[in-house]
Amino acid sequence: DIQMTQSPSSLSASVGDRVTITCRASQSIRSYLNWYQHKPGKAPTLLIYAASTLQSGVPSRFSGSGSGTDFTLTVSGLQPEDFATYYCQQSYNTDHVTFGPGTKVDIK
Amino acid sequence: QVQLQESGPGLVKPSQTLSLTCAVSGGFISSGGYYWSWIRQHPGKGLEWIGYIHYSGTTYYNPSLKSRLTISLDTSKNQFLLMLTSVTAADTAVYYCARVTYGGNYAFDYWGRGTLVSVSS
Repeated sequence: DIQMTQSPSSLSASVGDRVTITCRASQSIRSYLNWYQHKPGKAPTLLIYAASTLQSGVPSRFSGSGSGTDFTLTVSGLQPEDFATYYCQQSYNTDHVTFGPGTKVDIK
Repeated sequence: QVQLQESGPGLVKPSQTLSLTCAVSGGFISSGGYYWSWIRQHPGKGLEWIGYIHYSGTTYYNPSLKSRLTISLDTSKNQFLLMLTSVTAADTAVYYCARVTYGGNYAFDYWGRGTLVSVSS
């Protein structure tokens, strides 16, 4: 199995801050990395796929980068609606996709 | 706009079978280019992929659940189903259904809102 880790596990930030979340894979997954936002009681939403491609309708303040084993999700100018938990997911091994443990972003 | 909606019992007794349905609207599960998936989230934990099915019937299951798991399609009702046998308290979770676009990096691009299933006597 490909193990995914994320750091930090949680962070506190203010509206307007630039926030960066890191995701690491236990082996190279090339660019087969997707990012999701999840709010309590809601369906998760796809933010970025293929490491850096913004899903249609997602605000441009979200960006992703990386390849191989190390990836980042950046939110440039955090908005009130961005307080949520963020997950990365590898799709390199399609027989067994795996998610990271999540990073919770809350209000400072 | 594709929409997915999970349904099923909110309470299942230990050792029994958990059965859930995901109704799809705004698109057809028999369309090519997609897998139809189940994912769960244990209380206070992260997301765990359960498995997915292609309209051809091909399935991929999480190895940790494979011996107890069946995912199937009902194209006449445009829905897909999850059956998990011999459940225990460890299967208590919010269960989500989702669509995977394999042309889109195998990302889960549409999700249901989830349904909580508790396993308890």
